[in-house]
Amino acid sequence: GEDVEQSLFLSVREGDSSVINCTYTDSSSTYLYWYKQEPGAGLQLLTYIFSNMDMKQDQRLTVLLNKKDKHLSLRIADTQTGDSAIYFCALVDSSYKLIFGSGTRLLVRP
Amino acid sequence: NAGVTQTPKFQVLKTGQSMTLQCAQDMNHEYMSWYRQDPGMGLRLIHYSVGAGITDQGEVPNGYNVSRSTTEDFPLRLLSAAPSQTSVYFCASSSPSGHRGGLDYGYTFGSGTRLTVV
Repeated sequence: GEDVEQSLFLSVREGDSSVINCTYTDSSSTYLYWYKQEPGAGLQLLTYIFSNMDMKQDQRLTVLLNKKDKHLSLRIADTQTGDSAIYFCALVDSSYKLIFGSGTRLLVRP
Repeated sequence: NAGVTQTPKFQVLKTGQSMTLQCAQDMNHEYMSWYRQDPGMGLRLIHYSVGAGITDQGEVPNGYNVSRSTTEDFPLRLLSAAPSQTSVYFCASSSPSGHRGGLDYGYTFGSGTRLTVV
């Protein structure tokens, strides 16, 4: 089945850029997603990228997709303490199920 | 527009008890799913449904049953609770649409049910 991998933890200083990486095995997904989960809360769709795009920018967020290497990344510019959360990459597999990575916990230090 | 509503928010069960986690959505979404979230393991799919009357197993279905008699509701039943089922459970719904140039399966999530089995 589909396998989606993320590193578990990232720590950055406030004002720096954060880059969260994700690799996957199934390349059939039309969209790839980034979700954000704040402590004690549900998941919020943060951004997405269509599979025929290489890059998408949305304010402080930049999503890069390398389909050849099956690698997805989320860059957060000027990271703030409010960005501290768990970030999940996710994609829809060939059976239309939404599959998640294990999540990357981002800690922003003042 | 309430989105996806899960009840209860918190529950403590004794081993062997049964219960039903409720999930309802008012967006007329065809797809609904149940996930469990455990530390360091992300979200794992328990069961999902692509429409009323249709359900299928996900990655970790054992110990759980679902049914989808209406588009709006997708209850998750624990038949005989075990401590290994202590987790946070999320329900999600989606309506694949053809906008933005392709099929978009972006899901909307409920706020979760925190279940403890003692």
